[in-house]
Amino acid sequence: EIVLTQSPATLSVSPGERASLSCRASQTITNNLAWYQQKPGRAPRLLIYGASIRATGIPGRFTGSGSGTEFTLTINSLQSEDFAVYYCQQYNNWPPRHTFGQGTKVEF
Amino acid sequence: QVTLKESGPVLVKPTETLTLTCTVSGFSLANPKMGVSWIRQPPGKALEWLANIFPNDEKSFSTPLKTRLTISEDISKNQVVLTMTNVDPSDTATYFCARIQQVWPDVFLDYWGQGTHVTVS
Repeated sequence: EIVLTQSPATLSVSPGERASLSCRASQTITNNLAWYQQKPGRAPRLLIYGASIRATGIPGRFTGSGSGTEFTLTINSLQSEDFAVYYCQQYNNWPPRHTFGQGTKVEF
Repeated sequence: QVTLKESGPVLVKPTETLTLTCTVSGFSLANPKMGVSWIRQPPGKALEWLANIFPNDEKSFSTPLKTRLTISEDISKNQVVLTMTNVDPSDTATYFCARIQQVWPDVFLDYWGQGTHVTVS
């Protein structure tokens, strides 16, 4: 079973700064990784899939990178609406098993 | 417009079976490029993937829960049903369904329902 480990658990940043969130897989998942944003009381929103492909309507300040076992979500010039919890999710193999990381909370 | 809506009981007793329904619109469950996933989130905790179903009846389940879960779909009703047997207070959570989009080799969750909260007590 593939395990995703996200770090840090909490990231304190100020508006306008850059945030870098890490996601590490327990075994290689090539580029089969997605990132989601979740705000309190809301359903998650897809940001990135294929490790680096922005989903429709996602601003360019969100960038995904990495492959194999190490992945990063970078948020440039943080906006107030970006303070949320971010989850990575893998979908390696078929049929896919969409396991999630434990999340990183980005707070002010 | 793609929408998914979860429905089911708000309160379930321990040892009972939980049945949740996801009703979709704006896409067809018969579309070979799509499927439906169930995910849950205990209060204040992380997302936990539960199960997937695809049009060819291909299914996958969370390893820790696979003996307790079943998933099925009724294409004519645009519904996917998840059942969980022998529930326990630790199953208290918000349960989400989401559309799986396949853009080979990527298989991601692009639309989500609002979630339905279930308490086991």
